[in-house]
Amino acid sequence: AQTVTQSQPEMSVQEAETVTLSCTYDTSESDYYLFWYKQPPSRQMILVIRQEAYKQQNATENRFSVNFQKAAKSFSLKISDSQLGDAAMYFCAYRSAFTGANSKLTFGKGITLSVRP
Amino acid sequence: SQTIHQWPATLVQPVGSPLSLECTVEGTSNPNLYWYRQAAGRGLQLLFYSVGIGQISSEVPQNLSASRPQDRQFILSSKKLLLSDSGFYLCAWNSGAFNQPQHFGDGTRLSIL
Repeated sequence: AQTVTQSQPEMSVQEAETVTLSCTYDTSESDYYLFWYKQPPSRQMILVIRQEAYKQQNATENRFSVNFQKAAKSFSLKISDSQLGDAAMYFCAYRSAFTGANSKLTFGKGITLSVRP
Repeated sequence: SQTIHQWPATLVQPVGSPLSLECTVEGTSNPNLYWYRQAAGRGLQLLFYSVGIGQISSEVPQNLSASRPQDRQFILSSKKLLLSDSGFYLCAWNSGAFNQPQHFGDGTRLSIL
């Protein structure tokens, strides 16, 4: 079974600075997908970014980018130019590419990010 | 575009009472549907998923059940709620394609008294 580990329960960043959130995972599969979800105080789950394991290029979405290290099974999220609206809980998630239609997500426990004005 | 609706937003129920949470998806057909629970300050735990009408898979043994009476409707139920059923429940959907992410509803905050 796959596991996702987010070892830092909380992080803080100064507004306009850059912060990196860590995530590691364990799998024996070679093809899979990785995601970062954001959950603001409203509790809504919002997809931030996704990475396909067979792609070597790191995904980027505006101020959000990932550092995907497949050999190390590491998938960190970098937030540049942090904004107050970035304050939220962030979840790393894994999904196998070989599970057919039941594409279940395995989530980490999440990390709470606070942004200091 | 596709949208997902989940209700109610909040619910307070006494121990031993029944439960019915509903989730519907619009703008797509034959979605995969999921129910998650999030305990306070914790990650998401997958409870049920469904790949089609009447097809329900349970991830963990519990006091809850799920049903999918229509293609885009997913219902989470209980006959008798326990205190441990308190939490935040999220419904999600995605298409069958492997690279499609899950999209979540706004969630239901369930408090058991």
